Parts: sequence; C-alpha cells; structure tokens
Amino acid sequence: DGGITQSPKYLFRKEGQNVTLSCEQNLNHDAMYWYRQDPGQGLRLIYYSQIVNDFQKGDIAEGYSVSREKKESFPLTVTSAQKNPTAFYLCASSIWGLNYGYTFGSGTRLTVV
Amino acid sequence: GENVEQHPSTLSVQEGDSAVIKCTYSDSASNYFPWYKQELGKGPQLIIDIRSNVGEKKDQRIAVTLNKTAKHFSLHITETQPEDSAVYFCAASTNAGKSTFGDGTTLTVKP
Repeated sequence: DGGITQSPKYLFRKEGQNVTLSCEQNLNHDAMYWYRQDPGQGLRLIYYSQIVNDFQKGDIAEGYSVSREKKESFPLTVTSAQKNPTAFYLCASSIWGLNYGYTFGSGTRLTVV
Repeated sequence: GENVEQHPSTLSVQEGDSAVIKCTYSDSASNYFPWYKQELGKGPQLIIDIRSNVGEKKDQRIAVTLNKTAKHFSLHITETQPEDSAVYFCAASTNAGKSTFGDGTTLTVKP
C-alpha cells in the first residue's frame, strides 16, 4: 500500500542534542512538507521541498534543518538551536502543481528531557 | 501571502445534530479548498475538498460549500456521531503553491 511513514513515533531528546526525524513516502509525490503542532494549536510550516535537492524555509524554520537527497525521503533535524522543540511533528507529501490535497504521516512526538 | 481564518475554534453538539465550521481566505487566486480531520495522536486525513469551479460538494453526511465572491467556504456535518469528534482543519491553495491551513476546530459530539 502507498503511504507516508514517520519514525520514530516517540522521541526523547536531551537538551543540547540534535535529533533527526525520518519521513519516507512511496506515493511518488514531488513535494514534501514538515509541520509543527503544539497542543491545541494549528499546523505551522517548518520547511517544504518541491523537488529533489531543493527546499524552502517555512514560517518557523529557525533551529531546524532538512535535506532532500531522494524523492522518497525528507528527514528533519531538530538542532540544539531550537529553544522549545517539544511538539508533535507532522510530515506530509503532495503532487506539486496539482491540487489533490496532502497525505500526512502519523507524526512524531518529540519531548525534551 | 494567503491567510485563512477558521471559526469556531471549539464546537460542541449533541449526537444527531448538525455541525458547521466556517473558513475565510484572503487570496483571490486560491482555487482549491480541502478539509482535514485529525483524530487524537494521529496525522490529519483529507475528508473532502472543493475546487473553485464548484459551489457545493457532498459525500454522505459531509458537505462543503464555497462562496468565491465572499471568499469563504464551510464544512457541514449532518447527523453527527461520537466518532465525528476530532479536530478539523480547512486549507486554501493555488495551483502554484502550498496549502495554507486554518487554526483548526475541535468538534465534540456528545452521546
């Protein structure tokens, strides 16, 4: 079955550490996105990528980094520069330029301990 | 850029009643309006969408209406059931770009 997989589901990070969240899709979608969701809040865009080897900052990119070396993969690194990283992180994919909506992963809950 | 406002932020209805969630958008170039349902601890799922050449679309108990002139669109859920309880997000996008999301509506259906 086609889909988008995020791992791990839960992640704990010590202060000062970088952590990488995985996102893989087998939908042959061009575009991929990372969103942050805080409790009771909406979706805030961190980074997005339309094609391989290209990505753009979203509204809250500070303290995060991404790469897009393969069409299927769009990992997100939460760096130690992100002062408040505890949140629910959602990855999504879509066909760029055609409006068919986003397919979301099941999310990664990151907690700083 | 696009701005999407969503109301209400919380909505509580009795089982069997109808629920309506409204969104407004600012960019007249937006032509695609999806709605997503997010259950607790999960990622949002697309439940219905509408394009700018259509005024209304129905899928069983859910429907979406679009008023391009007023730049607003709404989600209607009839005969609500407890399993409809979730957070609902509206969004707007153009052909060229990414979607802009509303802040979400938490719907609670009381048995």
